[in-house]
Amino acid sequence: DGGITQSPKYLFRKEGQNVTLSCEQNLNHDAMYWYRQDPGQGLRLIYYSQIVNDFQKGDIAEGYSVSREKKESFPLTVTSAQKNPTAFYLCASSTRQASNQPQHFGDGTRLSIL
Amino acid sequence: AQRVTQPEKLLSVFKGAPVELKCNYSYSGSPELFWYVQYSRQRLQLLLRHISRESIKGFTADLNKGETSFHLKKPFAQEEDSAMYYCALYGQNFVFGPGTRLSVLP
Repeated sequence: DGGITQSPKYLFRKEGQNVTLSCEQNLNHDAMYWYRQDPGQGLRLIYYSQIVNDFQKGDIAEGYSVSREKKESFPLTVTSAQKNPTAFYLCASSTRQASNQPQHFGDGTRLSIL
Repeated sequence: AQRVTQPEKLLSVFKGAPVELKCNYSYSGSPELFWYVQYSRQRLQLLLRHISRESIKGFTADLNKGETSFHLKKPFAQEEDSAMYYCALYGQNFVFGPGTRLSVLP
């Protein structure tokens, strides 16, 4: 189904490489988010964006970068500075960055280090 | 600081039995609380939020500010309730708990 599309589903990275995870939404949502999910730790917020050309750091932004050039797209780059990048990454969106707006999630991307 | 704890990693109950998934939070302001659910091979999705005071799929959750809890309850569990459940808080940002896997046995 539509909504939020994350690609690829699986991604492998060599040490020292940057990789970019794609997140696209057709829900006309203003706000978009990136989370990292590790076993037993729930979801941790990496970056979020409330509007085009604006984004804010979450709790674990070090070693990651984002851009928000278009409303429907919020790609996440995992840089070589991220020392432990192996994880499951989830993208989400909501109508706006407000407390009572539910988030819609993608299927996720699993990143592994070769 | 914001924090959400879910003390049970796994909760197993028999079909028809009551179920309670525990969630405790810490936040100095007035939080918004949510429960999200992920069924097998499906996306993480919103189940309910405290502000709506609604019952979804027979589940309810009451915000207890005195005990800083937002436990999820259902009087009679069904097999299709088996899933991963996450409690989430919105204060300054969204914070998710580690999750509880509910297994409803036949």
